[in-house]
Amino acid sequence: QQQVKQSPQSLIVQKGGISIINCAYENTAFDYFPWYQQFPGKGPALLIAIRPDVSEKKEGRFTISFNKSAKQFSLHIMDSQPGDSATYFCAANTGGFKTIFGAGTRLFVKA
Amino acid sequence: DAGVIQSPRHEVTEMGQEVTLRCKPISGHDYLFWYRQTMMRGLELLIYFNNNVPIDDSGMPEDRFSAKMPNASFSTLKIQPSEPRDSAVYFCASSPDILKVYTFGSGTRLTVV
Repeated sequence: QQQVKQSPQSLIVQKGGISIINCAYENTAFDYFPWYQQFPGKGPALLIAIRPDVSEKKEGRFTISFNKSAKQFSLHIMDSQPGDSATYFCAANTGGFKTIFGAGTRLFVKA
Repeated sequence: DAGVIQSPRHEVTEMGQEVTLRCKPISGHDYLFWYRQTMMRGLELLIYFNNNVPIDDSGMPEDRFSAKMPNASFSTLKIQPSEPRDSAVYFCASSPDILKVYTFGSGTRLTVV
């Protein structure tokens, strides 16, 4: 019940295209959903986060869509660029509990 | 702030040797986490501390692994004896609150031959 399931495992997108990564959770107590971005040789770093009281959050080319009833959330990267090539992790947590990370998605944006 | 600082960046050691990984969290962050990352298993939480006290070590794979946090500015993860299957990237992260964003270090790439 504490898992966060992430898909796809890897993704190849053409430059200018839309990258979409999906995550699903079971624990309805989760109330904070961050996305982390990891470049090779670096640690994961916060990209964008959302709370379940909103259905969408946008920061530049990055958008989180949240479907509370389906217990799903997704990351959309608009106008994907080669510099977006990285591993993306979705995550979830709730009060007094550690963050649970998804398995990660390796994104490659072709120039 | 310089962020979370880990050392060494790379470590190559022979099977059976003791390995010590080090971490300096961000000042003022009360939570410290140790993660292991591999291609097969992704990002695994090994242990985390709150105010220097270990809270959850259920992710520590076996007794060969131990972690300490003697003070608020320093933590170690020790593997003794090391085995080839311990080869991975080990990350340290800190956070001001368990609900807040985790700041990760750049990791230590461990290779056990």
